[in-house]
Amino acid sequence: RKEVEQDPGPFNVPEGATVAFNCTYSNSASQSFFWYRQDCRKEPKLLMSVYSSGNEDGRFTAQLNRASQYISLLIRDSKLSDSATYLCVVKPGGYNKLIFGAGTRLAVHP
Amino acid sequence: NAGVMQNPRHLVRRRGQEARLRCSPMKGHSHVYWYRQLPEEGLKFMVYLQKENIIDESGMPKERFSAEFPKEGPSILRIQQVVRGDSAAYFCASSPLTGGSGNTIYFGEGSWLTVV
Repeated sequence: RKEVEQDPGPFNVPEGATVAFNCTYSNSASQSFFWYRQDCRKEPKLLMSVYSSGNEDGRFTAQLNRASQYISLLIRDSKLSDSATYLCVVKPGGYNKLIFGAGTRLAVHP
Repeated sequence: NAGVMQNPRHLVRRRGQEARLRCSPMKGHSHVYWYRQLPEEGLKFMVYLQKENIIDESGMPKERFSAEFPKEGPSILRIQQVVRGDSAAYFCASSPLTGGSGNTIYFGEGSWLTVV
């Protein structure tokens, strides 16, 4: 079983749609959680951290359920510029040894 | 303040040759991490280094791969006798601290290795 598993995608949605990505992780001792965005042939960039209380940044909302070891990302009012691969990332603890999911590809079309 | 600098950005090697990838961390950062991304996969941790020390190399293949972060100069990821399966994007990241809560890791733009 992979340490971090994500919906494989791709998700093809029209502009303005709401899309949700799911992620599960296997290490119950994991301490920190993130969503990264990666454009084609670019480095991953931090989109947002994920907290148990849930957090929102504009059109993006992230949720963490520690009991279920489940992380989600909701994107509302999708824009063409949201087209990218979204990576679920877990940090077990200690130093910055990040565990990445394989990513979910999102394509937003006009 | 320049970000994490990696070079070369693109590298083509024939099977059996050596590949050397360099990474200069952000100014003031003394912690360097190397990750590899195979096609259609997520990034995989390879090694974590501090100046002159390898802290965690649990993700490094047992043979042909080595990494260093000397007192002076960039961190180097060295791949000897490359094979086609080494073709991947290699990302370097740096941080000012060893970790702690939150995330203070910064990625370079990556080095794309193609083995022909």
